Amino acid sequence: SQKIEQNSEALNIQEGKTATLTCNYTNYSPAYLQWYRQDPGRGPVFLLLIRENEKEKRKERLKVTFDTTLKQSLFHITASQPADSATYLCALGGGGFKTIFGAGTRLFVKA
Amino acid sequence: GAVVSQHPSRVICKSGTSVKIECRSLDFQATTMFWYRQFPKQSLMLMATSNEGSKATYEQGVEKDKFLINHASLTLSTLTVASAHPEDSSFYICSARDMAGGYSPLHFGNGTRLTVT
Repeated sequence: SQKIEQNSEALNIQEGKTATLTCNYTNYSPAYLQWYRQDPGRGPVFLLLIRENEKEKRKERLKVTFDTTLKQSLFHITASQPADSATYLCALGGGGFKTIFGAGTRLFVKA
Repeated sequence: GAVVSQHPSRVICKSGTSVKIECRSLDFQATTMFWYRQFPKQSLMLMATSNEGSKATYEQGVEKDKFLINHASLTLSTLTVASAHPEDSSFYICSARDMAGGYSPLHFGNGTRLTVT
């Protein structure tokens, strides 16, 4: 069955450093991959989408890479700030409507 | 930007009662909405796809008689948890796309925390 793995352990980093989160998947060939941010008790908020034929996508301090050979995506936040502290979800989708989510990685940025 | 509004944000009810959760797209029309369930520290699990004007499509293992979905208009979908029991306690979240096609991102409501005592 399709499986998405994100590091279940929380990531703790110092303010100003780059946070790197990993998303691995198996038994799936997604047409695209998305990253969402979720704060406690709230719904996820869309951040970035990258398609299978794209290697890298950037948006302000965010960067996403997508390696379909390794079946892996890396999500980077540069110059991290305490306000970046949240859970980050990786999501995969095909050409249809369904999107499946990983369990997320909790990020803590210390001032 | 596209906004999805979900109400109520929190519900506490007694076992055996039914609970209705509303999901509205405020500034766009959504022919399809999605209902997810999330347990603590776990991923969003898709429960069903709500289709305007037709029957919802349920994921494997989701009881359609327990989780009743109605999508009567292009801006409103409702999820009713029928005869709720403590094991139904969870965080329920709806979402929709503001553009057709699977590549467009999902816009989520802020979820409903259901506690069944």
